Amino acid sequence: QVQLQESGPGLVKPSETLSLTCTVSGVSITTYYWSWVRQPPGKGLEWIGYIYYSGSTKYNPSLKSRVTISADTSKNQVSLKMTSVTAADTAVYYCARGIGDLDDWGQGTLVTVSS
Amino acid sequence: QSALTQPPSASGSPGQSVTISCTGTSNDVGAYHYVSWYQQHPGKAPKLIIYEVSKRPSGVPDRFAGSKSGNTASLTVSGLQAEDEADYHCSSYGGSNNLRVFGGGTKLTVL
Repeated sequence: QVQLQESGPGLVKPSETLSLTCTVSGVSITTYYWSWVRQPPGKGLEWIGYIYYSGSTKYNPSLKSRVTISADTSKNQVSLKMTSVTAADTAVYYCARGIGDLDDWGQGTLVTVSS
Repeated sequence: QSALTQPPSASGSPGQSVTISCTGTSNDVGAYHYVSWYQQHPGKAPKLIIYEVSKRPSGVPDRFAGSKSGNTASLTVSGLQAEDEADYHCSSYGGSNNLRVFGGGTKLTVL
């Protein structure tokens, strides 16, 4: 059974960098694509981007200049970094297996951007 | 503002059927056969219930059905049950630049 667990700071100051890690268990990250999706409080979902373990990535054009997704096969982890955050980046951040059809999701982690 | 348009709310009584729409453009929903639907209960992660417009993952009841006509996709929930009360999100392939676009979500209430 595939399990995903997001982790990272729950509070980030404006203009700083948001860093999250998704630890995958039950399957090697080399087997699938992995995506990040976020959901602002009370709002809909927004696709952030995806990665294949080889390093191939694709990002949402609206976030591309601020986002980097990476993979660490030795730890079976996928990571997200988002620079220059503002209050608009406050959201629950999810990692998920797949690109379009996201079959497995982590439980999500709330990141609040505030001073 | 979400890329795909969904009604903010929908409702039905137990046993009834409800259809939720998801309207995009000729660049996403209308162009590709890659529409998916997710069910999300409060405080929980989304769950894939429909992919490629009308396919159901293993374990998803056949009460959930997806379809598409032109730029609009639809999710029909038949034989409504109390546990169907949740938010439903649609998603579509958006082309090589914007791989995945989502709707704003629809809150389904079982009366």
